[in-house]
Amino acid sequence: QQQVKQSPQSLIVQKGGISIINCAYENTAFDYFPWYQQFPGKGPALLIAIRPDVSEKKEGRFTISFNKSAKQFSLHIMDSQPGDSATYFCAASTGGTSYGKLTFGQGTILTVHP
Amino acid sequence: GAGVSQSPSNKVTEKGKDVELRCDPISGHTALYWYRQSLGQGLEFLIYFQGNSAPDKSGLPSDRFSAERTGGSVSTLTIQRTQQEDSAVYLCASRPRGPSDYGYTFGSGTRLTVV
Repeated sequence: QQQVKQSPQSLIVQKGGISIINCAYENTAFDYFPWYQQFPGKGPALLIAIRPDVSEKKEGRFTISFNKSAKQFSLHIMDSQPGDSATYFCAASTGGTSYGKLTFGQGTILTVHP
Repeated sequence: GAGVSQSPSNKVTEKGKDVELRCDPISGHTALYWYRQSLGQGLEFLIYFQGNSAPDKSGLPSDRFSAERTGGSVSTLTIQRTQQEDSAVYLCASRPRGPSDYGYTFGSGTRLTVV
């Protein structure tokens, strides 16, 4: 299975709060798990990514937590800001003949209220 | 340019007409991808080009869809006999060669509306 399931579909957070978005996958061959951020009218932009040999990666206010045994990973946005309001996509990919081809989750619309 | 350029940014076409969508990847990026983003949906993989290798067409939804990449650079996605269900944002992305960097750079997309 190539599917990646993402939740919630939408999320409302107050400024300064923590935003948490979750993803689950089935294909154990996936070896790369990025998160993308998309603003209206723009293409998605890479935010942060992790490989399955680590359980957590932090870049500034953004953290990925990865649970290989549960086949789940999540994005945590600390001290959420109104400028973080966007659509977030998790994704996963594997090597082989479809090298680098990403399978995306359905997206989460994040709204951060001031 | 510094980014992935897509044209047109918006396209309205009548049902049954053919359309061509263009993608100019970042210079030197050997891999090029097309994705489709329908309203409220995630990104659906369409096709992938890597250098001179045969493209991965496994995501093309029907034989009305085709794509080519000329000279390892510019790519054109063609949709023949468009249907209303083809309405979506078509996104192109490119990335450099090598296992150490999977990071895509996406264009801003072409919003296709079939009426």
